[in-house]
Amino acid sequence: QLQLQESGPGLVKPSDTLSLTCTVSGGSISISGYCWAWIRQPAGKGLEWIAIICHNGMTYFNPSVKSRVTISADTSNNQFSLRLTSVTAADTAVYYCARHVSYSDWIDPWGQGTLVTVSS
Amino acid sequence: QSVLTQPPSVSAAPGQKVTISCSGSSSNIGDKYVSWYQQFPGTAPKLLIYDNNKRPSGIPDRFSGSKSDTSATLGITGLQTGDEADYYCGTWDTSLSAGVFGTGTKVTVL
Repeated sequence: QLQLQESGPGLVKPSDTLSLTCTVSGGSISISGYCWAWIRQPAGKGLEWIAIICHNGMTYFNPSVKSRVTISADTSNNQFSLRLTSVTAADTAVYYCARHVSYSDWIDPWGQGTLVTVSS
Repeated sequence: QSVLTQPPSVSAAPGQKVTISCSGSSSNIGDKYVSWYQQFPGTAPKLLIYDNNKRPSGIPDRFSGSKSDTSATLGITGLQTGDEADYYCGTWDTSLSAGVFGTGTKVTVL
C-alpha cells in the first residue's frame, strides 16, 4: 500500500526558504504514469495545488508561486522535495504531498500533511 | 483565487440527497477529467471520485459524479451525519499547465 510522509521544519522565518521532503513507501516514484505533487491549505481555507514532478523529470508549477518554487526528486531514496523561497506569512499552511496520476489528473493517496508556520 | 467555483455550503436532512456543482471553463473541466475529494477537519483530503464518475474501492455508491460541458457535479444520496465534511473538485487546466481545485463546499446534515 502506497504511503507518503511529509517532513521538514514547522517554523520558518519570513524571507527564508521553506524546505519539505516527502518520503514514499510501498511503491517507486520512478513508475511511469505518475507524478508527485505538493498541495497546501492555509487554515480555514481551500486547497492550493503548488507543483508536481513526473516520473520523466517534467515539472509543472502553479503560476502564482512559480518564481519561488523548486521541486526535485531523489529516486535513490524514493523521495521528492519542495523548496519555496522568500516566504511570507501568506505561505503559512498545512503542506501535503501526494501522488498525481498523470493520465487523468486525480490525486491519491495523500500524506497526512505538515503545518508550516512563517513567523519571526 | 480558484478557477473552479463551488457553492460555499449545501445542507439537507439525513436520508436526503445533495448535489455539489463545480463550474469551470473550456481549458479545465471542458477538456479534462474531474475528480472529487472529501476532507474532514484536521485530516488530509481523500479521493472520492475520479475520471468524472468512477469510485475508488471502498467508496459507497451513495456518492456519484457527472460532468457536462464545463461543469461537474457530485451527488450524495442517503445523506448520513458522517458525510458532514468539506468537498473539493479538482482537475487540470491546460491554459495554466497546472492542477486546480474548486473553492470547496461544506456539507451539513440538518
